[in-house]
Amino acid sequence: AQSVAQPEDQVNVAEGNPLTVKCTYSVSGNPYLFWYVQYPNRGLQFLLKYITGDNLVKGSYGFEAEFNKSQTSFHLKKPSALVSDSALYFCAVKSNTGKLIFGQGTTLQVKP
Amino acid sequence: EPEVTQTPSHQVTQMGQEVILRCVPISNHLYFYWYRQILGQKVEFLVSFYNNEISEKSEIFDDQFSVERPDGSNFTLKIRSTKLEDSAMYFCASSEALWEGANTGELFFGEGSRLTVL
Repeated sequence: AQSVAQPEDQVNVAEGNPLTVKCTYSVSGNPYLFWYVQYPNRGLQFLLKYITGDNLVKGSYGFEAEFNKSQTSFHLKKPSALVSDSALYFCAVKSNTGKLIFGQGTTLQVKP
Repeated sequence: EPEVTQTPSHQVTQMGQEVILRCVPISNHLYFYWYRQILGQKVEFLVSFYNNEISEKSEIFDDQFSVERPDGSNFTLKIRSTKLEDSAMYFCASSEALWEGANTGELFFGEGSRLTVL
């Protein structure tokens, strides 16, 4: 069965510092991995995806993610965090039936 | 930019009542989904829909739930007899293609319909 895990419920970082939100995956075959962000009382917004190609994927709002096959990870990163990045972040894997399977989510808190 | 729209944004209902949540997917998308999220926690898959039929459904999607695409634009989720535990945020999503290629297969989500069952 395909799944993703986000080991941290919450990540705290100071504004201007780099941030990492962790995600590991378990799939059979090639993984198709996604990151979404959810602001309070809003829907899920697509940030970036890894389908194939370069292991470093760049996405919206300055975010990027690194696909690491040997570590089965797809960590979300940003070189310099903003207070406005504070939100709930979800890692997801696409199943072979087309649906997205989400991790449990990680709350990112960026403090001024 | 095209977007998925959902109505109502919030619905309060009594236990046992029927509820219909409506979604207008992005116009050229072919795959439609319903997810739910309880109390800002994990996003759970309910059902996927393609070519006017259910492609896949989860254990949550029992006989009390149904989906329909009554016309060329709307996609609805019906809960026949709501229970207290149906209280959640329900998200509709659509995607253009199942896999990679020119279309990357990401899902586009609406802003959600908050259902409160009393």
